[in-house]
Amino acid sequence: EVQLVESGGGLVQPGGSLRLSCAASGFTFSSYSMNWVRQAPGKGLEWVSYISSSSSTIYYADSVKGRFTISRDNAKNSLYLQMNSLRAEDTAVYYCARDSNNWNYYYGMDVWGQGTTVTVSS
Amino acid sequence: DIVMTQTPLSLSVTPGQPASISCKSSQSLLHSDGKTYLYWYLQKPGQPPQLLIYEVSNRFSGVPDRFSGSGSGTDFTLKISRVEAEDVGVYYCMQSIQLPWTFGQGTKVEIK
Repeated sequence: EVQLVESGGGLVQPGGSLRLSCAASGFTFSSYSMNWVRQAPGKGLEWVSYISSSSSTIYYADSVKGRFTISRDNAKNSLYLQMNSLRAEDTAVYYCARDSNNWNYYYGMDVWGQGTTVTVSS
Repeated sequence: DIVMTQTPLSLSVTPGQPASISCKSSQSLLHSDGKTYLYWYLQKPGQPPQLLIYEVSNRFSGVPDRFSGSGSGTDFTLKISRVEAEDVGVYYCMQSIQLPWTFGQGTKVEIK
């Protein structure tokens, strides 16, 4: 079964740091680009960051650029999001999502984890 | 950033009746490669989003054929031919032609 499982969320004070993990199983993780998408309480979806399969290409939303770092370990089938200088507005459920395509189509984000909750509050 | 605007923001539908959601982008989503990078996701209550439609009109694996997507350029539509109880949730359109990838505000679909 194709699966993504996030972990590492929790309560952190403003200015603090947190590292999220996403464990992949059921597919060849090293062949896929990955994303982080977040959802603030009661709000819509916000794309956060993208990393290519080999880590050669990385993108960030302006709202997290310079504070968040995406990375992956293909040997461990894992995706990470290092979050520093956290702000109250970073409070959200963070989802990892697989980016998928074939020779003819770009499917977009076709597999999502259940999410991990990050709360930034004093 | 490309702004994605969905209408309506909420929809109450009688089971068996059709439903339609509009999504308009602030810029064309037609890429020079000929593809249009518009996607539809459904987030059921308490669940992560799930992919429904890719590249405007292609149903993802396992998506019932009562869901259809159409449109071009900046105007897109998701249609449900006959709404079922399991279709409740929030529907999002998303563009991935230009960074940052952006989502619409979401359309909440409820059953009457």
